[in-house]
Amino acid sequence: AQSVAQPEDQVNVAEGNPLTVKCTYSVSGNPYLFWYVQYPNRGLQFLLKYITGDNLVKGSYGFEAEFNKSQTSFHLKKPSALVSDSALYFCAVRPGRNTNAGKSTFGDGTTLTVKP
Amino acid sequence: NAGVTQTPKFRILKIGQSMTLQCTQDMNHNYMYWYRQDPGMGLKLIYYSVGAGITDKGEVPNGYNVSRSTTEDFPLRLELAAPSQTSVYFCATTGTGFGGTVDEQFFGPGTRLTVL
Repeated sequence: AQSVAQPEDQVNVAEGNPLTVKCTYSVSGNPYLFWYVQYPNRGLQFLLKYITGDNLVKGSYGFEAEFNKSQTSFHLKKPSALVSDSALYFCAVRPGRNTNAGKSTFGDGTTLTVKP
Repeated sequence: NAGVTQTPKFRILKIGQSMTLQCTQDMNHNYMYWYRQDPGMGLKLIYYSVGAGITDKGEVPNGYNVSRSTTEDFPLRLELAAPSQTSVYFCATTGTGFGGTVDEQFFGPGTRLTVL
């Protein structure tokens, strides 16, 4: 069975500082990995994904994530945080043997708070 | 394009009542999903569909039913509402993956359901 762990319920950073939101996963075979963001009272919005190729993927709003196969991790990063980045972030994994039919498993989410 | 729309936005039910949560998409996506999000938890998959006329159970299907008569619509039915079904419900879609692409999910704004 596939699983996702986001070990931090909450991450607090000061505006302008770098941020990292951690994610580790477990899945059979090669994974497809995703990050989504959720603002209050809204649905999830896609940020970025890793399918294959370069381990560093870049996404929306200046976010990036690094795929590390040996550590089964896919941490979300941003060099300089903004107050507007404050939101709930979800990591998701899908087994790579199917393209889009596979079911995704989501982590429990990490609340990011960026303070001015 | 409206993307993924859900109705109603909010609903309060009494124990034992029934209701249907509506989900409609205009993205011509084959794959559709229903999730529930409980406070402090990630998304749990209730049901999903890979195309019109085809549905399958997710992680937490008990107490729910779905149908998929058209590509656009994927309603979720609660037959006998219970307090344990108090949650926020999200509908999502994914593209068809033609050409081997791996697409992210697109989410609706959610339905907040309370069962008293």
